[in-house]
Amino acid sequence: GQQVMQIPQYQHVQEGEDFTTYCNSSTTLSNIQWYKQRPGGHPVFLIQLVKSGEVKKQKRLTFQFGEAKKNSSLHITATQTTDVGTYFCAGPATGNQFYFGTGTSLTVIP
Amino acid sequence: GAGVSQTPSNKVTEKGKYVELRCDPISGHTALYWYRQSLGQGPEFLIYFQGTGAADDSGLPNDRFFAVRPEGSVSTLKIQRTERGDSAVYLCASSHLYTGELFFGEGSRLTVL
Repeated sequence: GQQVMQIPQYQHVQEGEDFTTYCNSSTTLSNIQWYKQRPGGHPVFLIQLVKSGEVKKQKRLTFQFGEAKKNSSLHITATQTTDVGTYFCAGPATGNQFYFGTGTSLTVIP
Repeated sequence: GAGVSQTPSNKVTEKGKYVELRCDPISGHTALYWYRQSLGQGPEFLIYFQGTGAADDSGLPNDRFFAVRPEGSVSTLKIQRTERGDSAVYLCASSHLYTGELFFGEGSRLTVL
């Protein structure tokens, strides 16, 4: 079955440092979504990427979809304590169901 | 309400009991998903509805799990003969047919003693 892996599993950064999480799929994806889950909360949608090589920015967050549409990355510039949480990528299988990655847990040290 | 509503928020039951978890999606969202999330893990896909029918139930772990959405809105996830390994947060999400963005509820935390 489809597998979506993320690295690293955990990341601790000093406030102000940059952070990147990588998502890799065993199959080609038609699109990929990113979600953020705060501790004790539920996943919240951040963005969807559709096109090969697509890059989208949201303030300090930059999302990229690989040329082969099998990998993606999320980069946060100058992290803040409000960035704390677990970041998941999610890709669709044959239908519209989305399989979530293993997640990267971000801790920001003030 | 404006968001996805799940009840109960917490459920503690004994091994072997039957449990129902309810999800009320955002009005107008035709797609509804159930996921299960264990501590430190990503959401695990269980089942996906498009309207009233289960478009994909390949994630249901075994025949003790069943879900319905009889009128294309509210959905109920049913777990028979619960086991301790069923303990997790059960997340429901809905989406509009054409956008694919998933809106999650707060989840139902199930604890099987």
